Amino acid sequence: ILNVEQSPQSLHVQEGDSTNFTCSFPSSNFYALHWYRWETAKSPEALFVMTLNGDEKKKGRISATLNTKEGYSYLYIKGSQPEDSATYLCASLKMEYGNKLVFGAGTILRVKS
Amino acid sequence: DSGVTQTPKHLITATGQRVTLRCSPRSGDLSVYWYQQSLDQGLQFLIQYYNGEERAKGNILERFSAQQFPDLHSELNLSSLELGDSALYFCASSVRTGTSSGNTIYFGEGSWLTVV
Repeated sequence: ILNVEQSPQSLHVQEGDSTNFTCSFPSSNFYALHWYRWETAKSPEALFVMTLNGDEKKKGRISATLNTKEGYSYLYIKGSQPEDSATYLCASLKMEYGNKLVFGAGTILRVKS
Repeated sequence: DSGVTQTPKHLITATGQRVTLRCSPRSGDLSVYWYQQSLDQGLQFLIQYYNGEERAKGNILERFSAQQFPDLHSELNLSSLELGDSALYFCASSVRTGTSSGNTIYFGEGSWLTVV
């Protein structure tokens, strides 16, 4: 994989459903994987920074896992609420001289009440 | 509130003009990044500064330039503007650069630029 890819592109779920998205990234020269939550007209909110293979992180009902060997990360939302509606972005950190986040196109989540 | 402040929030200007976007990083953050979000593309990295020095360059056009001042705020200058430059320009900041991969990078709310 040359770029950061996210799937699905969009997701519509009912309130209370649990859901998950996938982020695929180049596994070579891996440094870190960032997850952001982005609501329209707001700044992208940092959710997780993951650096180690097998990492699992949790923030409330949202959790993420990381597999650096195969180049993927999953973001899980348990018991989705309407306020979870947002675009979820993942980005792989490239460290050449300086830092550069390479973003995926995002997964748009809409939670219906 | 991420602590990263960007001005202006919205800007409408004509083709051929020049604009300056301003960014104040979070208190204590030495690294500043600029990203562009256009309608047909995801967030694209433009440039990074660390403590006043350019550190990394991405897909930044020659018509665009940036700098980071001694007080750590940064400006992105966009000149000879074209219709295709219309986009949301984000500034982000983090504490360090390069040596520490686990740092969170915090984004501002962005500056909407419309070129007419």
